Amino acid sequence: AQKVTQAQTEISVVEKEDVTLDCVYETRDTTYYLFWYKQPPSGELVFLIRRNSFDEQNEISGRYSWNFQKSTSSFNFTITASQVVDSAVYFCALSEAPGDNYGQNFVFGPGTRLSVLP
Amino acid sequence: DVKVTQSSRYLVKRTGEKVFLECVQDMDHENMFWYRQDPGLGLRLIYFSYDVKMKEKGDIPEGYSVSREKKERFSLILESASTNQTSMYLCASSPWGEQYFGPGTRLTVT
Repeated sequence: AQKVTQAQTEISVVEKEDVTLDCVYETRDTTYYLFWYKQPPSGELVFLIRRNSFDEQNEISGRYSWNFQKSTSSFNFTITASQVVDSAVYFCALSEAPGDNYGQNFVFGPGTRLSVLP
Repeated sequence: DVKVTQSSRYLVKRTGEKVFLECVQDMDHENMFWYRQDPGLGLRLIYFSYDVKMKEKGDIPEGYSVSREKKERFSLILESASTNQTSMYLCASSPWGEQYFGPGTRLTVT
């Protein structure tokens, strides 16, 4: 069965600090996708990134970067120079390749609540 | 940009009422989902649909039903609302891959 673990329940940092959110996943599939979502206080989940299992290149988008390591089954998310607007709950998610039971096999982690203090 | 809309941001209903939550997406996605989100329990899948008139139960379908008569619209129905269905309801749509979420409906059943 698939599983996503986000061991950090809550993190607080001061503005401009760097912060890394951890995500560890379990799957028996060789083809899968990993995702990060942001849920600000307004409640809407915002899609941030998708990686597939064949692409271990790190990704950078502005202040956001993602480190995917298959060897440790991790897909960590780093925010550089954090800002108050980064305060949100962040979810890591995993899905199998498209096919049967796709909907059942989209698994979210429990989320990490990030508070960035001014 | 993908747009997923939900009929209400906030809804208050009485126990025993039949409740309809509507979700519409504008990107011709095959897949649509309904989740509920509760503190400490994360996101839990209620139902999903992979095509018009096709549906599959998720992890917690009891007390709910769904309807997908048109590709862009996926409705969640609470046949007889109960207080334990007070929750945040999130709709999502997806091609195969990432899911795109609506703003959510916070339902209170009194």
